[in-house]
Amino acid sequence: DVKVTQSSRYLVKRTGEKVFLECVQDMDHENMFWYRQDPGLGLRLIYFSYDVKMKEKGDIPEGYSVSREKKERFSLILESASTNQTSMYLCASSSTPSSNTEAFFGQGTRLTVV
Amino acid sequence: SQQGEEDPQALSIQEGENATMNCSYKTSINNLQWYRQNSGRGLVHLILIRSNEREKHSGRLRVTLDTSKKSSSLLITASRAADTASYFCATDFGNEKLTFGTGTRLTIIP
Repeated sequence: DVKVTQSSRYLVKRTGEKVFLECVQDMDHENMFWYRQDPGLGLRLIYFSYDVKMKEKGDIPEGYSVSREKKERFSLILESASTNQTSMYLCASSSTPSSNTEAFFGQGTRLTVV
Repeated sequence: SQQGEEDPQALSIQEGENATMNCSYKTSINNLQWYRQNSGRGLVHLILIRSNEREKHSGRLRVTLDTSKKSSSLLITASRAADTASYFCATDFGNEKLTFGTGTRLTIIP
């Protein structure tokens, strides 16, 4: 059974903390994505990676960075967490070319910044 | 943003009825996909339709694509309580990125 696993379901962090959200996929996919989901706004792409050490900004990259040192792992980093980063974070992966294939999602991490 | 827009934002129907939701997008696409999300969970892929296809079926799901109108519709026939979820369209503009819409919240009333 294919899997995308996010390290935490729920996280509570303090303002100003550095936060790491980890995502691992076991499907040897080239593409990996980080989205955030907020009520009424749908899913918005934060960052996208199409290969190891390669990344592209999505629609809302401000306040975030990413790391992809190994093909199976894609990390989202909040350098200094703020309350407006309280959200549901979803990781996904897909093979290349994405035009022929579906994306697989993790179960989501609900992050609360206090 | 190249985000698609789903319509309606919310839909409530009786069990057994058909549910139709629509998606519009702004620029040319390679494919369009529909996903379902149960409350508080990740998204699950339902169906993918390519830009050169007009209609696709999968079980009780029927998807149409009109590239001239830049729109797609998802029809769920003979709805069940388990179909209660949010439904999202996602578009691939040929740059390997999937861009999602804002979703339709579907409630099936037993």
